[in-house]
Amino acid sequence: AQSVTQPDIHITVSEGASLELRCNYSYGATPYLFWYVQSPGQGLQLLLKYFSGDTLVQGIKGFEAEFKRSQSSFNLRKPSVHWSDAAEYFCAVGHTGRRALTFGSGTRLQVQP
Amino acid sequence: DAGVIQSPRHEVTEMGQEVTLRCKPISGHNSLFWYRQTMMRGLELLIYFNNNVPIDDSGMPEDRFSAKMPNASFSTLKIQPSEPRDSAVYFCASSFETSGNTIYFGEGSWLTVV
Repeated sequence: AQSVTQPDIHITVSEGASLELRCNYSYGATPYLFWYVQSPGQGLQLLLKYFSGDTLVQGIKGFEAEFKRSQSSFNLRKPSVHWSDAAEYFCAVGHTGRRALTFGSGTRLQVQP
Repeated sequence: DAGVIQSPRHEVTEMGQEVTLRCKPISGHNSLFWYRQTMMRGLELLIYFNNNVPIDDSGMPEDRFSAKMPNASFSTLKIQPSEPRDSAVYFCASSFETSGNTIYFGEGSWLTVV
């Protein structure tokens, strides 16, 4: 069975600082990997996804993520955080044999002025 | 383009009452998912359909929960009878096979059972 671990429940960064949110997955073959963002009272919005190919993927809002097979990781990064990035971020994993995604527990990002 | 549409957005109901949540997937999408989000358990998959057929309902908590997809553009999640522990946000999502596993979420139905 596939699983996702987001080790950080809550992260606080200053506006303008860099950001890295961690995600580790467990799956035997090459997974499909996703990052979603959820603002309060809203649904989940897709930030970026990795299926194959280049292990560094670019997403919306200036986010990027890097797939590292050797570390079973798919960490999300942003070079300079804006106050509007405050939200909850979810990593998710899927594969070709199953259409549904398995989500991590989420990381809540707080941005200080 | 319209996204996934859910109704109602908010519902407060009394314990024992029947609750029906509705979902209209994105046009052309052939997979539909119901997820539940709570503080304690995070995002859990309840059930998903492919081409209107239930594929995996192992996440449905118990017999009080049922889901249907009578056609490609409509699905319901029903709770009967409802209990306070069912209070959660219920998300409907959809995808299309050529998008890989990319799932698009609705805004959610916020259910409170008192």
